[in-house]
Amino acid sequence: GAGVSQSPRYKVAKRGQDVALRCDPISGHVSLFWYQQALGQGPEFLTYFQNEAQLDKSGLPSDRFFAERPEGSVSTLKIQRTQQEDSAVYLCASSFSGVLNQPQHFGDGTRLSIL
Amino acid sequence: LAKTTQPISMDSYEGQEVNITCSHNNIATNDYITWYQQFPSQGPRFIIQGYKTKVTNEVASLFIPADRKSSTLSLPRVSLSDTAVYYCLVGDIGGYNKLIFGAGTRLAVHP
Repeated sequence: GAGVSQSPRYKVAKRGQDVALRCDPISGHVSLFWYQQALGQGPEFLTYFQNEAQLDKSGLPSDRFFAERPEGSVSTLKIQRTQQEDSAVYLCASSFSGVLNQPQHFGDGTRLSIL
Repeated sequence: LAKTTQPISMDSYEGQEVNITCSHNNIATNDYITWYQQFPSQGPRFIIQGYKTKVTNEVASLFIPADRKSSTLSLPRVSLSDTAVYYCLVGDIGGYNKLIFGAGTRLAVHP
């Protein structure tokens, strides 16, 4: 079956522009996570959804970052007024449930470059 | 969440067995140990997970001593395609699964 799909794979934006990154999780997966990965570093947690409920957004770096999952499936990560430090790979992951013994399935990410 | 320490990098040759050790001195009773693999330009991929003793699947083995303060990921007979970053993670089975990644171990397999 299909894995986690993210689009676009690459996004280039000018500083100050708004961007929207999409994640299509595996069908039936309750939990959805967003991570940010800087070059040469491990992924860092941004936010977590259980179905449509955003249960943890403690990792979002600023109020310019906003995530939603209105129908409990597709999720969008939006970054407003982008800045150069937002340049990174944004990874989406889903799992059947949210507990540790359910592996997270990652997409291949969106590489965001802010000029 | 328990902090993990693993080597920054390792080198190996095709056909050899590779063992990557991860230290997690502050592991809690409810914590599981999980390893992920990441290739360039791809998301991390789950490899193996365990709680104690030994776990084996078609890809790797995970050895966990009785005190659980460390764990060793064993990759048998590596090939060039095993060149990747390997992450060791420790986390509670309760609640939700907020993964905390370190910098990982960069494994380079040479011909």
